[in-house]
Amino acid sequence: EVQLVESGGDLVQPGGSLRLSCVASGFTFSDFSMHWVRQAPGKGLECVSAINGNGGNTFYANSVKDRFTISRDNSRNTLYLQMGSLRAEDMAVYYCVRVGTGYDYWGQGTLVAVSS
Amino acid sequence: DVVMTQSPLSLPVTLGQPASISCRSSQSLVYSDGSTQLNWYHQRPGHSPRRLIYAVSNRDSGVPDRFSGSGSGTDFTLRISRVETEDVGVYYCIQASHWPFTFGQGTKLEI
Repeated sequence: EVQLVESGGDLVQPGGSLRLSCVASGFTFSDFSMHWVRQAPGKGLECVSAINGNGGNTFYANSVKDRFTISRDNSRNTLYLQMGSLRAEDMAVYYCVRVGTGYDYWGQGTLVAVSS
Repeated sequence: DVVMTQSPLSLPVTLGQPASISCRSSQSLVYSDGSTQLNWYHQRPGHSPRRLIYAVSNRDSGVPDRFSGSGSGTDFTLRISRVETEDVGVYYCIQASHWPFTFGQGTKLEI
């Protein structure tokens, strides 16, 4: 059974940093691209970052470019999102999502709250 | 980026009646391999999205057959033949044919 379990969400002050993790199981992690998709409270969905299977190619939405860094450790079946210079508008539930035929499996999400 | 436009954004329905959601893309979603990567998702309050339909018309495992998807090119439709209580929530279309993947605004189905 495919499982994606995120962690690391927390309340952080504006300008602060946070690292999200996503542990994958039930499939060969290195065979799949992975994305981080966020959802602000009461809002729609936005892909903020993506990484291919071997970690050699990454993507960032303009809204997070130069502030967030995506990475993966295939030996630990873990996806990461290092978030810096956090702003109020980064407040959202962050989902770790596997890319099969489009987004086929989603984690349960982890909440990032940004407030002073 | 490909713009995905859903309608309606709010969909009040009656139990047992059909429902239909439209999704239009700003450019063709035919992928280089000839497939069309248009997928439909359902999100219940407090839950992560769950995929219902992939590649326009293929139901995911465990998805009731009252859900169906159709369309081609830039126009796509999700249909529910008879709405049940568990169908409430928000429905999203997401295209994965062009980089970056993009999302419809969501359609809130209410009974």
